[in-house]
Amino acid sequence: NAGVTQTPKFQVLKTGQSMTLQCAQDMNHNSMYWYRQDPGMGLRLIYYSASEGTTDKGEVPNGYNVSRLNKREFSLRLESAAPSQTSVYFCASSAGLAGGAISYEQYFGPGTRLTVT
Amino acid sequence: GENVEQHPSTLSVQEGDSAVIKCTYSDSASNYFPWYKQELGKRPQLIIDIRSNVGEKKDQRIAVTLNKTAKHFSLHITETQPEDSAVYFCAARTYTGGFKTIFGAGTRLFVKA
Repeated sequence: NAGVTQTPKFQVLKTGQSMTLQCAQDMNHNSMYWYRQDPGMGLRLIYYSASEGTTDKGEVPNGYNVSRLNKREFSLRLESAAPSQTSVYFCASSAGLAGGAISYEQYFGPGTRLTVT
Repeated sequence: GENVEQHPSTLSVQEGDSAVIKCTYSDSASNYFPWYKQELGKRPQLIIDIRSNVGEKKDQRIAVTLNKTAKHFSLHITETQPEDSAVYFCAARTYTGGFKTIFGAGTRLFVKA
């Protein structure tokens, strides 16, 4: 049981390049999230997927797109990277709405450290 | 928009002393309040959480209190140990209209041996 996994661990991009960050969970969770973490600013929600087939914007969605490929996988795409997107990106999952109850506890992946030059 | 303020940003205590971190939130619809611990270079990990229908929760040396009227919640760590040194984040979550979790900016806790 690996929990939440992310690839890659590190990435350096040039301004204007594109890339996709991958996230997968093996806990049969309904909900998945993408956060970015910048020094001194805590975690900010980029996009989330409350359940398979749905995605919604979070606090800072501009410059990103997401795909909930199936129940296990949730990817984050940067179409044209900018230096302001230099950050550590965390994927998380939670059971969400299941069996008539809501479980809020989020489990985080190990993070992807992205640098845009 | 919704906001979570966390204080202090840095806290230094002597081993064995208590540490208290405080947060306030703006969205009165918030109904779940987790606390995360993040060690350097690691992922955030949940250490304790509380729902809006509970005023206090304790787990060994860690406790959280919630005052819904004041929109204020706090983390209390007693008998601190050097391994408690980390960054701690509070968060407030609402399910109204969709999932939103807003995090505080974090408190860096140093426990001196």
